[in-house]
Amino acid sequence: EDKVVQSPLSLVVHEGDTVTLNCSYEVTNFRSLLWYKQEKKAPTFLFMLTSSGIEKKSGRLSSILDKKELFSILNITATQTGDSAVYLCAQKAAGNKLTFGGGTRVLVKP
Amino acid sequence: DARVTQTPRHKVTEMGQEVTMRCQPILGHNTVFWYRQTMMQGLELLAYFRNRAPLDDSGMPKDRFSAEMPDATLATLKIQPSEPRDSAVYFCASGLYPGTSVNTGELFFGEGSRLTVL
Repeated sequence: EDKVVQSPLSLVVHEGDTVTLNCSYEVTNFRSLLWYKQEKKAPTFLFMLTSSGIEKKSGRLSSILDKKELFSILNITATQTGDSAVYLCAQKAAGNKLTFGGGTRVLVKP
Repeated sequence: DARVTQTPRHKVTEMGQEVTMRCQPILGHNTVFWYRQTMMQGLELLAYFRNRAPLDDSGMPKDRFSAEMPDATLATLKIQPSEPRDSAVYFCASGLYPGTSVNTGELFFGEGSRLTVL
């Protein structure tokens, strides 16, 4: 059974800090790994990673995948209060089926 | 602005009642997913459709849950009879498979239906 584990469960930082979120996975039909941000409502898409070692960046967020060690990290630099959210990692199998991890709750204090 | 639309946004009902949640996927998307989110379990996949055909409903309690796609613009999730443990936020998501964009893995989520069963 596919499994996605995220760590830490939660963290509290201050504005300007850098955070690193971890995602490890066990898959049988791995296609790609996705990161989502969930504030109060629906998860919104951040990144999709398919190849090892290639960093994807979007503003202060970046992510990278290691297919050999079966993990991914999401970095947020110079955090702002608007970054407070639950960050979800999901492994995509054949046919677009996503298996989500439990999420990491990030709270950024002013 | 294309988006997934879910109704109702909130539903409070009593144990034993039937609950139907509806989802309108983004026009042109051919995959539809139903997820349930709780604090304890996170996001759990309940059912998955491609081109309106059910491909995977292994995550769904079969005795009380049913999911259908009467047409390409409507997906439904029904609970009968509902129980307090069904209280959760139910998300519908749609996507395009196999797609032509590099972001073919992206699923677009609706705002969710928050269900409370008393």
